[in-house]
Amino acid sequence: DVKVTQSSRYLVKRTGEKVFLECVQDMDHENMFWYRQDPGLGLRLIYFSYDVKMKEKGDIPEGYSVSREKKERFSLILESASTNQTSMYLCASSGDRQYQETQYFGPGTRLLVL
Amino acid sequence: SQQGEEDPQALSIQEGENATMNCSYKTSINNLQWYRQNSGRGLVHLILIRSNEREKHSGRLRVTLDTSKKSSSLLITASRAADTASYFCATHGSSNTGKLIFGQGTTLQVKP
Repeated sequence: DVKVTQSSRYLVKRTGEKVFLECVQDMDHENMFWYRQDPGLGLRLIYFSYDVKMKEKGDIPEGYSVSREKKERFSLILESASTNQTSMYLCASSGDRQYQETQYFGPGTRLLVL
Repeated sequence: SQQGEEDPQALSIQEGENATMNCSYKTSINNLQWYRQNSGRGLVHLILIRSNEREKHSGRLRVTLDTSKKSSSLLITASRAADTASYFCATHGSSNTGKLIFGQGTTLQVKP
């Protein structure tokens, strides 16, 4: 079974702090994704990566950056957390993007920025 | 903008009844997927239907796809309380990036 893990289930941070959300997958997947999920807005793609050291902006990249130094790990960074970044963050991975395979999700990190 | 739009937004049924959720999308697709999310958890992939398929089954799930109407439906037969969750359809965008575009989801409550 594919396993996608996220470093924290719940996180509380203060405005202005730098926040790191880690995601690790164990299936040697090429593609990794970061979403945020908010009531009434559904899932929105923040960043994605289809190879090590590669990254692409999603629909809402402002205020975020990412890092993919190893194939299995994809980190989301909030450079200076703000209250409007309070949200549920979901990481996902998938195989060959040419064939548009299913995405496998981690359990999510619920972030509260005070 | 969201590619997929689910209907209804919320659905409440009794255990044993069937639940039908619909999804509409805007652009051409290679496949359409359905995911399930239990409260406060990540999404779990349920079923994928390709653009050249019209119907697909998986256990108590039945998915149909009508590319002429740009719509899909998910039917859960003989529902159980454990089916209570949110259900999302998702499609790939036109670019070959592996990106999925999710709808807003249908929240299903199955009462015991």
